[in-house]
Amino acid sequence: SQTIHQWPATLVQPVGSPLSLECTVEGTSNPNLYWYRQAAGRGLQLLFYSVGIGQISSEVPQNLSASRPQDRQFILSSKKLLLSDSGFYLCAWSGSTNYGYTFGSGTRLTVV
Amino acid sequence: SQKIEQNSEALNIQEGKTATLTCNYTNYSPAYLQWYRQDPGRGPVFLLLIRENEKEKRKERLKVTFDTTLKQSLFHITASQPADSATYLCALDMNDYKLSFGAGTTVTVRA
Repeated sequence: SQTIHQWPATLVQPVGSPLSLECTVEGTSNPNLYWYRQAAGRGLQLLFYSVGIGQISSEVPQNLSASRPQDRQFILSSKKLLLSDSGFYLCAWSGSTNYGYTFGSGTRLTVV
Repeated sequence: SQKIEQNSEALNIQEGKTATLTCNYTNYSPAYLQWYRQDPGRGPVFLLLIRENEKEKRKERLKVTFDTTLKQSLFHITASQPADSATYLCALDMNDYKLSFGAGTTVTVRA
């Protein structure tokens, strides 16, 4: 069966520090991968998606970036965090555009 | 761009009753409309997907309808239980890898 792993679960980082969140998927090949951010009491905002190794599409201009170095690995990064980067970050995968997404357990990021 | 509105932020109902949630959207009808459940501090969990040419889809006590004329989907939880208490999100899939989510409706089922 397919599983998705996302870590860390919580993270407190000072303003201006770098960020690296990792997501891996098991049990499937060539998944579509996504990074979403959810602000408190808000809907999910799509940040990046990838349909293959090295292929990254950005939805929201910001100081975040994403990379897909391997088929089932998706990384969210920042060189310098801002206070506004705080939120709940979710990684997800899907097999196709007409399938439900499977989400990871999320990372709660607090920038202080 | 698409605007997705879920009828209310919170819905409180008595156990055993039917909860009905509304999802309205603007502009073009999506190829697919999806519903998710999200518990506090957790990632959303996929529940149901309905295609634009389908009127209704059921899964156990859940039922989803899709009216492209009204640009609306209804999500029903029948015979509700306290364990159904959660936030329910609708999402529009335009068949372009960009699943767009509504803000969600928080359902509380009282015993």
